[in-house]
Order: sequence, then structure tokens, then C-alpha cells
Amino acid sequence: AQSVTQLGSHVSVSEGALVLLRCNYSSSVPPYLFWYVQYPNQGLQLLLKYTSAATLVKGINGFEAEFKKSETSFHLTKPSAHMSDAAEYFCAVSPGAAGTASKLTFGTGTRLQVTL
Amino acid sequence: DTGVSQDPRHKITKRGQNVTFRCDPISEHNRLYWYRQTLGQGPEFLTYFQNEAQLEKSRLLSDRFSAERPKGSFSTLEIQRTEQGDSAMYLCASSFESTANYGYTFGSGTRLTVV
Repeated sequence: AQSVTQLGSHVSVSEGALVLLRCNYSSSVPPYLFWYVQYPNQGLQLLLKYTSAATLVKGINGFEAEFKKSETSFHLTKPSAHMSDAAEYFCAVSPGAAGTASKLTFGTGTRLQVTL
Repeated sequence: DTGVSQDPRHKITKRGQNVTFRCDPISEHNRLYWYRQTLGQGPEFLTYFQNEAQLEKSRLLSDRFSAERPKGSFSTLEIQRTEQGDSAMYLCASSFESTANYGYTFGSGTRLTVV
């Protein structure tokens, strides 16, 4: 069984400040991990993914995440927040190479607010 | 490539009515997934197809739910005798089988409200 826990349902940062969104996972097999972003009334857009290669993953819009097996974490960061980053962010896990269905298990999401 | 299209974007229905949603995946994608997202929650897996074969269904998919992908292209999700608890965003996604492990492309969803 797999699960992810996103700490903090709401995060507020000032424009230009560091963004840190936390995600911890639980998996019985080597996981693949994902961050998706959802803007209001829209679907999910893939930001970045970890698929057992480099542990530091760079994604779109200046976001990056680091896979830390010892901490079972995959936190999302961005050095400088922009107003356009305001959205809902979801961390997700899949069984990776061990799974044939490629099902994703999502966290409950973190809403990022960016203030002036 | 126009992305994954879902129709309608919004649907309001009375309790007890049947509803049907359509998903058009990215052309040539042989994998198609359905997820459901309730308010304040992350998406939950419902079912997926490889070509026209429905390979897995979640326990969330009660007998009132049925999904089809008759020609391996578009898919429909039907909910019979809708209940208020069915109110949610229904998301469709697609990918190639070979790249499904690396994430798939989601549509904008169909928001269902049962009154």
C-alpha cells in the first residue's frame, strides 16, 4: 500500500519569498513521486517527477524537489514566489516499476497563497 | 495535439437521474484513466483502460457506475441513480502504456453537482 501526507493544507508566502511545500510518502516498493499543480476549475498539470534517477528533480516554472529516502520525503521548493504560483499543489506516489497500472495515490493538497 | 478533452465541463442534475460524461484522450494514447476529486481532497483512482479493455476498477466504483471505451479511443463514464455523495470533479487522463509510469496528462474535468 502507498500513501502520501502533505503537511499544511494552506501555505501563505510573500511574493519573492521561498516556497516550501512538504510531502512525506509511505511505500512498500521503490516509489515514483510526482508533484501536480491545479488552478481553479482546471485539471492537473505535472510539475515534476522522481523516477529513481537523480534525487534532485527540476520541473517547470522554477520548481524543484528532492527525494530523500532516509526521511521518506519529497518536498517541493521554489526560491522566489510569483503571484502566478497561487494554486493547489498535490503530491502523488505510484509503485513505479513494480506496478503495471501506474495508478497514482494523491495527497490532500496544499493551497499556496502568494501575497504582495 | 489538443490535449485531453472532457465534456461537459459542468453538470447539475437532480438526485436519482442518470448522467454520462465523455473523455477524449490525446490521440494514439492507449491508456485512459478516470479519477474522482471531492472538495478539499486529492483525486482518487476509479478505473483505467488499456485500449478498449477495462483492466482495473476501484472499490469506489459502485454498481451504479459504469465506464466504457468501446473503440479504444474516447471513453464514457455513466452514473445511474445519482446521489448527493456523487457530487465531485471527475477527471480523465491519458498516456502511452510505455510512459504511464512517468505521469499522465489530465483533462480539465467535469464538475458534477447533484441537488
